[in-house]
Amino acid sequence: DVVLTQSPLSLPVTLGQPASISCRSSQSLVSSDGNTHLNWFQQRPGQSPRRLIYKVSNRDSGVPDRFSGSGSGTDFTLKISRVEAEDVGIYYCVQGTHWPPWTFGHGTKVEIK
Amino acid sequence: QVQLVESGGGAVQPGRSLRLSCAASGFIFSHYGMHWVRQAPGKGLEWVAVIWYDGSNIYYADSVKGRFTISRDNSRDTLYLQMNSLRAEDTAVYYCARGWSDFDYWGQGTLVTVSS
Repeated sequence: DVVLTQSPLSLPVTLGQPASISCRSSQSLVSSDGNTHLNWFQQRPGQSPRRLIYKVSNRDSGVPDRFSGSGSGTDFTLKISRVEAEDVGIYYCVQGTHWPPWTFGHGTKVEIK
Repeated sequence: QVQLVESGGGAVQPGRSLRLSCAASGFIFSHYGMHWVRQAPGKGLEWVAVIWYDGSNIYYADSVKGRFTISRDNSRDTLYLQMNSLRAEDTAVYYCARGWSDFDYWGQGTLVTVSS
């Protein structure tokens, strides 16, 4: 099974400052169709997960442009250019290339310093 | 707009059964694969099961294989999860999510508590 390792597990950030979350895969996530099925989700306290980024770098509709995704192969990054109070929550990566199973990272908790 | 609404959760004793439902609206349900994903209290997300758009392909996590059954009724736009032989470690919020490798929309979740 593919293992996704997120770091850091906890990320205290000052409002207005950037934040970066890493997601490393135990094997390449490039699929036979040429796509890389690596998505990022935000889960605010008490809410359901919400997808922010799909296929590495595509922002979902309504997601602020301060969120961006990048990476390739086994190394991926979610960046928040300027953290706002509403960005507090847990961020997860998930892979949908090598299934079953679909696997999630363990999550990164973003909090305000 | 796309909506997924889970129901059927509750408190149940170990060894008993429960059936969860996920009512879909706002999209052509029969065109999409659907997942169940769970989240134990204070823990991360764990994939549980998936079913293809027409029910022809189904996969389960090892932790639930042989005990849980995913199904769908495309005429009712509803996804199901039949959970048998429940264990304490199955205690979680259960979410349905749309898409084969997309997970683009999620429901609000339904809480299942397994305890004696």
